[in-house]
Amino acid sequence: EAQVTQNPRYLITVTGKKLTVTCSQNMNHEYMSWYRQDPGLGLRQIYYSMNVEVTDKGDVPEGYKVSRKEKRNFPLILESPSPNQTSLYFCASSWDGYGYTFGSGTRLTVV
Amino acid sequence: KNQVEQSPQSLIILEGKNCTLQCNYTVSPFSNLRWYKQDTGRGPVSLTIMTFSENTKSNGRYTATLDADTKQSSLHITASQLSDSASYICVVIRNSGNTPLVFGKGTRLSVIA
Repeated sequence: EAQVTQNPRYLITVTGKKLTVTCSQNMNHEYMSWYRQDPGLGLRQIYYSMNVEVTDKGDVPEGYKVSRKEKRNFPLILESPSPNQTSLYFCASSWDGYGYTFGSGTRLTVV
Repeated sequence: KNQVEQSPQSLIILEGKNCTLQCNYTVSPFSNLRWYKQDTGRGPVSLTIMTFSENTKSNGRYTATLDADTKQSSLHITASQLSDSASYICVVIRNSGNTPLVFGKGTRLSVIA
């Protein structure tokens, strides 16, 4: 089944403790992207990647890092999480950079 | 400024009734417009894709319309079901730029028995 898989689905962590949210797609898509979704703000793009080793900032990149060492994986790294990064995170992939398939989401709480 | 405005913010309807969700945009250059359905706690799932030349497109009980002149789109849901309860997000895709997707904030639809 074609899908985007994120892990974990739920995560509670403490301020300052580094964490990684993994994302993997099995559709051989070149484009991958990370979004966060907050009440009243909708989906906002954090980082995106157009291919292996090609990444760029989205609208809200502060406090996040990404890497794209292989085509199928696009992990999101929070080096020093803060409470304002509590949010619902979505990874997505696309073959054309326009129509994205989304993962099921990771609900992150930073206390 | 590239923006997508959706209305209403939320809507409650009785099962079996029809409803229409609105999307107005000021995005350019326009490539296409997509409606997504997002169940609570899940990722958005694409319902329809509309290009500049398309006025109407249906997907089962969902019918999307697009007026590229007035920059308006609507999503009409016929004979609503309890499973239609979700957020519906309008996304306008630009034909250029590094971040081509412009998201609306969504309409939260609740269908009640």
